This record gives sequence, C-alpha cells and structure tokens, in this order.
Amino acid sequence: DAKTTQPTSMDCAEGRAANLPCNHSTISGNEYVYWYRQIHSQGPQYIIHGLKNNETNEMASLIITEDRKSSTLILPHATLRDTAVYYCIVRSHGSSNTGKLIFGQGTTLQVKP
Amino acid sequence: DTAVSQTPKYLVTQMGNDKSIKCEQNLGHDTMYWYKQDSKKFLKIMFSYNNKELIINETVPNRFSPKSPDKAHLNLHINSLELGDSAVYFCASSQEKSGGAANTQYFGPGTRLTVL
Repeated sequence: DAKTTQPTSMDCAEGRAANLPCNHSTISGNEYVYWYRQIHSQGPQYIIHGLKNNETNEMASLIITEDRKSSTLILPHATLRDTAVYYCIVRSHGSSNTGKLIFGQGTTLQVKP
Repeated sequence: DTAVSQTPKYLVTQMGNDKSIKCEQNLGHDTMYWYKQDSKKFLKIMFSYNNKELIINETVPNRFSPKSPDKAHLNLHINSLELGDSAVYFCASSQEKSGGAANTQYFGPGTRLTVL
C-alpha cells in the first residue's frame, strides 16, 4: 500500500472548517483513501473513504485531487469534540490484502474555543 | 448497544504471567482483527481472522495466540508476558465484501495492558 504524509499537528478554531491535508503521491489506481480518527483513550473511528470522486457524509467531506496524489479531509464546523488524531490511510482492496490498515503518525487536530 | 466490546478494559499483571483479552462484536461481521498501540501511539495490526480462519499474522511472537471460537468472538491469549507487551490492544471487526469493495472497520474501546 502507498505511503501517506500528513502534518504532525494543526489547530482550528471552534465553529470553523478544519482542513486536514494528506499526500499520497505513490498511490496506485486501485487504492482507496481512507480517513479514521482516534479521540483520546478511544478506539479509532471510521470517517470517510474515496477512490477518485469527492465524497461527503454526515461527518466530513473528502476532496481528492484529479491526479489522486493528495487529498483533504474537511470538517465543516469543527467542535471541541473533534479534537483527535486523524489518520489518512491508503489501501487496496482484494483478498491478498484483506482488511489490513496501516496507520501512520496522523495529524493531531486541536480545536480551540 | 456496544458494537465491538473488549474485556477487560484495564489489565495489570506481572512479568511471566499468562493472560487473555476477550473481544465480541454484535455487528454480524465475518472478519475480526487485533491491533497493538504502543507507548509512542503507533497503531499496528497483529492478526486478522475471517470466518474463524487466520488470514493476517504480522510476525507477532508465538507467545501471542488468537482464538476465534465463532465469528462474533476473537480472543487474544498472551503467554509469558514481557515488559514490552505493555500497550493498548484494540479489537476491530468488518464485513468483507466481494469484488474488492471497501470495508469499514469498527474498533473496540481498547484494553490497556500493563506488565510490571
């Protein structure tokens, strides 16, 4: 699976949009971009995933560049409860790699009042 | 209702002891996982079971033995505990889909193991 690069930490004001970037320049055509987050002392939580189209759900939006070498997770109105470590993960699907998520260091997002 | 549950939440034990951590999921998923998160917060997969069969074993020492009595349970037994085994262990589950479709993993709350 391709490697991802994320900033170590970011701050965001409460109520503002949080934009978390991720570089995955070696991504291949069959690899998806996943985002998970881990709130302190809890298990990781799935947020969103995409292949090449932009995606939106009740938690966030995922913007993937046309060349798929980078993406941005957008939390439209960050709250204090969104303070967490956000992981960008690239993985392919298929029986040889079933279920394997490789977590990097992630981005620690601090939402401030 | 808790989707993925683990017991115990905290486990403190002496070096050399044998201990087990239990995991149960009520999501009807067919695949379960164990991850280890060390003191530096790196989260790494250890094992994966699909329909009670081992499909991922990430070069974990033989002292770690997962057991899946049924699709809803994946327990982790650790023999001869060492100081380096101290970590938070997370269980997760997902439903594998055909054709390489995406799956979402749901994680449990974690078990914090401290070896003294």
